[in-house]
Amino acid sequence: EDKVVQSPLSLVVHEGDTVTLNCSYEVTNFRSLLWYKQEKKAPTFLFMLTSSGIEKKSGRLSSILDKKELFSILNITATQTGDSAVYLCAVREYNNNDMRFGAGTRLTVKP
Amino acid sequence: ETGVTQSPTHLIKTRGQQVTLRCSSQSGHNTVSWYQQALGQGPQFIFQYYREEENGRGNFPPRFSGLQFPNYSSELNVNALELDDSALYLCASSPRGTGNTSPYGYTFGSGTRLTVV
Repeated sequence: EDKVVQSPLSLVVHEGDTVTLNCSYEVTNFRSLLWYKQEKKAPTFLFMLTSSGIEKKSGRLSSILDKKELFSILNITATQTGDSAVYLCAVREYNNNDMRFGAGTRLTVKP
Repeated sequence: ETGVTQSPTHLIKTRGQQVTLRCSSQSGHNTVSWYQQALGQGPQFIFQYYREEENGRGNFPPRFSGLQFPNYSSELNVNALELDDSALYLCASSPRGTGNTSPYGYTFGSGTRLTVV
C-alpha cells in the first residue's frame, strides 16, 4: 500500500539549534514531493521537489530529495520560536489527483 | 489577489445531521480539492473538482459529496454525520487542471473545524 512516513513525530529544540526532518515514501508513480508548514490551520507551501540531489533553499530552510532511496529531508538552521509548527510532507503521483500526506512532525522551538 | 477562503470557521453538529462546508478558491485557480484532517494526523484526500466535475476521489463513503460552481467555488456536503467525522476540513485550490502541477503547489484555506456530538 502506498504510504508516506515522517519522522520524528515530534521534536523539541532550543533556539539556534539545527533540525532535520525526515520523510520516506512508497508510491507507485512518483511525481513530486511537497513540504508544508502548518502553524494553526492552513498549511503553507514551502518546497516542491521533483529531481534527486537538487537542493531547494529558502532562507534558513532547505530540502533535498533522494528518489533512489525514496526519502526527503527538510533542514532548518538557526531555529527560531517562529519555526514552531507541524511540518507536513506530501507526495503526488502521476495519473492521480490527490496529495498523500504523512502524519507530520510537530516541531517546538523553545527560547 | 485573494487567497482561499472557507466558511464557516467552526461548526458543531449532532450525529445524524447533515452539513455543508463552503470554499472560495484563489483568484485564477480552477481546481479545488478537499481534505479531512483528524487531530494529530495529516490531511486525507476526500475528492477534487475540476470544471465542475469530480476529478478523483479518496477512500471516503458516498455520504461525502461535493459541488463546484462556474466561479470555481466549491461545497462539501456530509450526510448522516458520525462522531468520527469530527475534524478540520481543508480546501485547497490550484491554478492548473488535470495532469498539471502548479509549480507552487496547492493553496490551502484555513479550514472548517467540525465537531460532531
